[in-house]
Amino acid sequence: AQSVTQLGSHVSVSEGALVLLRCNYSSSVPPYLFWYVQYPNQGLQLLLKYTSAATLVKGINGFEAEFKKSETSFHLTKPSAHMSDAAEYFCAVSPRGGGSNYKLTFGKGTLLTVNP
Amino acid sequence: NAGVMQNPRHLVRRRGQEARLRCSPVKGHSHVYWYRQLPEEGLKFMVYLQKENIIDESGMPKERFSAEFPKEGPSILRIQQVVRGDSAAYFCASSQSLEDTQYFGPGTRLTVL
Repeated sequence: AQSVTQLGSHVSVSEGALVLLRCNYSSSVPPYLFWYVQYPNQGLQLLLKYTSAATLVKGINGFEAEFKKSETSFHLTKPSAHMSDAAEYFCAVSPRGGGSNYKLTFGKGTLLTVNP
Repeated sequence: NAGVMQNPRHLVRRRGQEARLRCSPVKGHSHVYWYRQLPEEGLKFMVYLQKENIIDESGMPKERFSAEFPKEGPSILRIQQVVRGDSAAYFCASSQSLEDTQYFGPGTRLTVL
């Protein structure tokens, strides 16, 4: 069974500082990996996804994530935080192949606070 | 271009009552997924439906829970005889095809008293 661990349920950064949100996964084979963001009173929005090829994935709003197989990690980063980045971020995995890649498994989420 | 709509956004039920959660997918999307987020947990897959068909319900509790996606109208997640342990946020997602990105609604937060 696949699982996702997000280290830190709450991360606080200053505006302009580096954002680093951690995600580790457990899977017998490298899965598909996703980061979603949820703003207050809205649905989850896809930030980026890793399916194959390039291990550094660029997403929307200046975010990127790097797939590291040796560390089973998919950490999300942004060089400079903006106030509008304050939201809850979810890391997710889905199986690669086997016809069930629609089954997303999510971490518990990390609430990002950006201080002025 | 409306996204996934869910209603109600908040639902309060007493133990033993029925809960009906509605999901209108993105226009043109024929694949619908339901997820549940229990307190302090991540979202967990419940069921995958296409129009008039349940494709995969492996994540659904065996009793009291059912889902449908009729030819016309929204997808419905129905919970009969609710218990306190059903209190959670229920999210619906839709996609245009099986391989496509899933777009999520804002969720329905169910509280069972």
